[in-house]
Amino acid sequence: QVQLQESGPGLVKPSQTLSLTCTVSGGSISSGSYYWSWIRQPAGKGLEWIGRIYTSGSTNYNPSLKSRVTISVDTSKNQFSLKLSSVTAADTAVYYCARDEYGTGYFDYWGQGTLVTVSS
Amino acid sequence: QSVLTQPPSASGTPGQRVTISCSGSSSNIGSNYVYWYQQLPGTAPKLLIYRNNQRPSGVPDRFSGSKSGTSASLAISGLRSEDEADYYCAAWDDSLSGPLFGGGTKLTVL
Repeated sequence: QVQLQESGPGLVKPSQTLSLTCTVSGGSISSGSYYWSWIRQPAGKGLEWIGRIYTSGSTNYNPSLKSRVTISVDTSKNQFSLKLSSVTAADTAVYYCARDEYGTGYFDYWGQGTLVTVSS
Repeated sequence: QSVLTQPPSASGTPGQRVTISCSGSSSNIGSNYVYWYQQLPGTAPKLLIYRNNQRPSGVPDRFSGSKSGTSASLAISGLRSEDEADYYCAAWDDSLSGPLFGGGTKLTVL
């Protein structure tokens, strides 16, 4: 059974960089043809796709965040990571990592989510 | 940023059938599969329907999905108290080059 777990600071200061890691267990992150995504949800609001990394290492980002986002993978640790720069209060949200089996929005496994608050 | 359009709320009594709509455009629902996710309070979303009308293993057949043109619907029959949750539709968007989510519908079981 594949499991995903987000980790990282719960509080980030404005203008700094938000950094989160998703650890995958129960399967190799580099096996199969999977897309590994980051998705966020501000309190009381809907879901927003941030971006993804494919097994090969190629990435796609939401155009609205592209200039501030970097997603990378560390296959040796079975992890993938999110960096979001120049954060503001609008970036405060629960951040989820998720696996997309077909790269079409088929998110079959999700992490539990981690709340990141942007505040001084 | 544009999202798929869902009603913010829906409600029904136990045993009833409720439907939740999701409206999009030719660049998303009109040309790609629709997915539905259920989010219980305080938890991560769970895949409920994939490829418009397919249920993952373990999802009761009380849940069904359909799609027509640029719109889709989720139907829940035999409504139960444990169905009280937020429901999100999603579809790949060709303009975004990524998945686009609906704004979510909060289902209340009266």
